[in-house]
Amino acid sequence: SQQGEEDPQALSIQEGENATMNCSYKTSINNLQWYRQNSGRGLVHLILIRSNEREKHSGRLRVTLDTSKKSSSLLITASRAADTASYFCATDAYTGGFKTIFGAGTRLFVKA
Amino acid sequence: SQTIHQWPATLVQPVGSPLSLECTVEGTSNPNLYWYRQAAGRGLQLLFYSVGIGQISSEVPQNLSASRPQDRQFILSSKKLLLSDSGFYLCAWSVTRGNSPLHFGNGTRLTVT
Repeated sequence: SQQGEEDPQALSIQEGENATMNCSYKTSINNLQWYRQNSGRGLVHLILIRSNEREKHSGRLRVTLDTSKKSSSLLITASRAADTASYFCATDAYTGGFKTIFGAGTRLFVKA
Repeated sequence: SQTIHQWPATLVQPVGSPLSLECTVEGTSNPNLYWYRQAAGRGLQLLFYSVGIGQISSEVPQNLSASRPQDRQFILSSKKLLLSDSGFYLCAWSVTRGNSPLHFGNGTRLTVT
């Protein structure tokens, strides 16, 4: 079964607006990661937040993690048309061996 | 710097034909290697991972197999493809298992006809 589930499935915004994507998961985790995928390409790692961290920033990206609610959010500020892509959360959990499990992703479309 | 190469980029194969997808990593030693499959509009499903030469773990029973003949080479194979094997196959590597990011190749789009 899927560990991470992103919400919304799709998001369309205007350039300059902020984009917020959410991820919920079911079991205890070691860390949570966000990845970006341009159409037809491989995934690119954006940010990793450990289970003992609550917030992390990288450029225009801000990630929060609430382990009590088993949820995370990715905020992209001042979005650009080039941010158009699918965004995936992935969780690392130890279940007899580490596994990185991906959600189904949020498709973000930024209109110029 | 580390790079990952995956080929071919696209492949169309008839049902019942064999498959061999290759992935190589440069610029790092003893990487953890992974094969994922992505169905259209969906997340990634882990198929195989390897922590060393000749060490392969399978996550999902299926028509596919993986091999790691060299430290930085990972091969995905099938003796006879099924229609359900169609999908986007992604190879990835990481420094450690858990707590380190995955670095992905550009993927192979496989269509079984």
